[in-house]
Amino acid sequence: GQQLNQSPQSMFIQEGEDVSMNCTSSSIFNTWLWYKQDPGEGPVLLIALYKAGELTSNGRLTAQFGITRKDSFLNISASIPSDVGIYFCAGQLVAGGTSYGKLTFGQGTILTVHP
Amino acid sequence: DAGVIQSPRHEVTEMGQEVTLRCKPISGHNSLFWYRQTMMRGLELLIYFNNNVPIDDSGMPEDRFSAKMPNASFSTLKIQPSEPRDSAVYFCASSLIMGLAIHEQYFGPGTRLTVT
Repeated sequence: GQQLNQSPQSMFIQEGEDVSMNCTSSSIFNTWLWYKQDPGEGPVLLIALYKAGELTSNGRLTAQFGITRKDSFLNISASIPSDVGIYFCAGQLVAGGTSYGKLTFGQGTILTVHP
Repeated sequence: DAGVIQSPRHEVTEMGQEVTLRCKPISGHNSLFWYRQTMMRGLELLIYFNNNVPIDDSGMPEDRFSAKMPNASFSTLKIQPSEPRDSAVYFCASSLIMGLAIHEQYFGPGTRLTVT
């Protein structure tokens, strides 16, 4: 089956620093999604990418869909304390009809921001 | 707009008891997903439905787990009998799937289950 490797597993940074995390896959995806999970809450969608090579921004967040369709990265610029949480990448493959929206998730990156 | 609604938010039960988790998807969404999250295994997809029909239940860990979706606005995940190793956070998510169009998945707040 499809596997997603997300790195790093955890990051400890100072407020104001930039952050970068990425996901790689053993097979291609049609869509890459990035989610953030706060403690005690469900994952919340941050950015969705639909085309290979696509670069999308959402405020201080920037994400790219790798040209090979097997990887994606997420950058956070000028981190602030409320960026703390777990960030997940997720891939979706639509082939031969419909995937019914099934996602494959990475293991998550735990981000800690020191004030 | 109301998001995905799950109940209860917390459940503590004794081993052997039946547990029922409930989910109300976002109105108009036609796909519903049940996930389990633990520190060891991360987010695992248990089962998903499209138009109230179970599509893939290969992630359901054992026969003790069952899920139903009697209508477009309600789904249940049942564990009977429950065991301590079932302790986890269970998430429900919904999405609108139309042919080959790709739509984002939205998660509920989760149910934290503790089986003692």
